[in-house]
Amino acid sequence: KAGVTQTPRYLIKTRGQQVTLSCSPISGHRSVSWYQQTPGQGLQFLFEYFSETQRNKGNFPGRFSGRQFSNSRSEMNVSTLELGDSALYLCASSLGNEKLFFGSGTQLSVL
Amino acid sequence: QQPVQSPQAVILREGEDAVINCSSSKALYSVHWYRQKHGEAPVFLMILLKGGEQKGHEKISASFNEKKQQSSLYLTASQLSYSGTYFCGSVFYGGSQGNLIFGKGTKLSVKP
Repeated sequence: KAGVTQTPRYLIKTRGQQVTLSCSPISGHRSVSWYQQTPGQGLQFLFEYFSETQRNKGNFPGRFSGRQFSNSRSEMNVSTLELGDSALYLCASSLGNEKLFFGSGTQLSVL
Repeated sequence: QQPVQSPQAVILREGEDAVINCSSSKALYSVHWYRQKHGEAPVFLMILLKGGEQKGHEKISASFNEKKQQSSLYLTASQLSYSGTYFCGSVFYGGSQGNLIFGKGTKLSVKP
């Protein structure tokens, strides 16, 4: 069974640009969650999607948005990038009520 | 709402034991533990539901004291492979497993 796949693996952007990250969950998993990981703050919850609906949202500005498609694949978008958005963005999938399976993440650098 | 983990870092020799604590000021429904090795994705270790149940994973076990809103992870006879950062994730009442709120992590280094 294939694991959680995130693309791209690395991204370099400049301030003010926007970026879209992609996540393909494990087959059969309907829940996809996104986390931002930085050295100082650890893993911070962004949002969770379940069956194409946003079920939970963390405390991030509106520049961070996401969506989920009918095949459970999910995308996360960050608009008007700031230097502080530099981080590892992790996606995790689950059946909806148990352990999370994390992808390897997308390392975003904002210059 | 972010759970507080302690200690922030710990260094052990192979064979030594360690305890990592995770506490919350908000009522917990369940606690999850994950381990992340350098450059890798976090990997699930165990889930503890309310009721004080103790779970085990190899020589790693954990407990959950719902009255104190606290969970502890016990690593016995540590091995080099235990090195990594350990995160506790909290699910609060009304939340779901998909929006775990993680602590800042405890970095564990096991030396030969």
